[in-house]
Amino acid sequence: DAGVTQSPTHLIKTRGQQVTLRCSPISGHKSVSWYQQVLGQGPQFIFQYYEKEERGRGNFPDRFSARQFPNYSSELNVNALLLGDSALYLCASSLSGVFGYTFGSGTRLTVV
Amino acid sequence: KNEVEQSPQNLTAQEGEFITINCSYSVGISALHWLQQHPGGGIVSLFMLSSGKKKHGRLIATINIQEKHSSLHITASHPRDSAVYICAAHSGGGADGLTFGKGTHLIIQP
Repeated sequence: DAGVTQSPTHLIKTRGQQVTLRCSPISGHKSVSWYQQVLGQGPQFIFQYYEKEERGRGNFPDRFSARQFPNYSSELNVNALLLGDSALYLCASSLSGVFGYTFGSGTRLTVV
Repeated sequence: KNEVEQSPQNLTAQEGEFITINCSYSVGISALHWLQQHPGGGIVSLFMLSSGKKKHGRLIATINIQEKHSSLHITASHPRDSAVYICAAHSGGGADGLTFGKGTHLIIQP
């Protein structure tokens, strides 16, 4: 049974560029959440989607956006990249979005 | 907002030792997660508990709701247990209610 899959696993971008990260939840899970983890810190909540609607948004600038597709997969977009956006971006899925989260392996984004 | 504190931040031990990692939180919760993160980033969910104790192999997690405290124990530790262990407290009904600790970096030396 496939777990939460994220792509790509690593990428390097230049300041000012835009990036799209992808997440496929566990089959049957309807909620996807995104987290940012900078080096040495715990993950910080960015977005949660449930049934294709935004359920929650963390304290991140409008350069960060996301969406969820009919098959419950999700994309996280970050515009006008800054050096400080360099981090591990984690996706987690859950059946109901209330608890029972399963995490993906993450996408390591480096902005140079 | 929930504050989640872990201790110790770093722990180095010899193979075979009994390991304890502690987690304290400030606000009442519905559940607490223990997660394992290996170099390279991927997070594996070890336990989710809301009361009592859970055991899986050499790992044991306990929680005391009244004291707002949880512990993760590793018996007969092994170098492959080397990882960052993160506790996350769930105090709300959605993903925004999940507050993570900064993690405990565990190294088990052979």
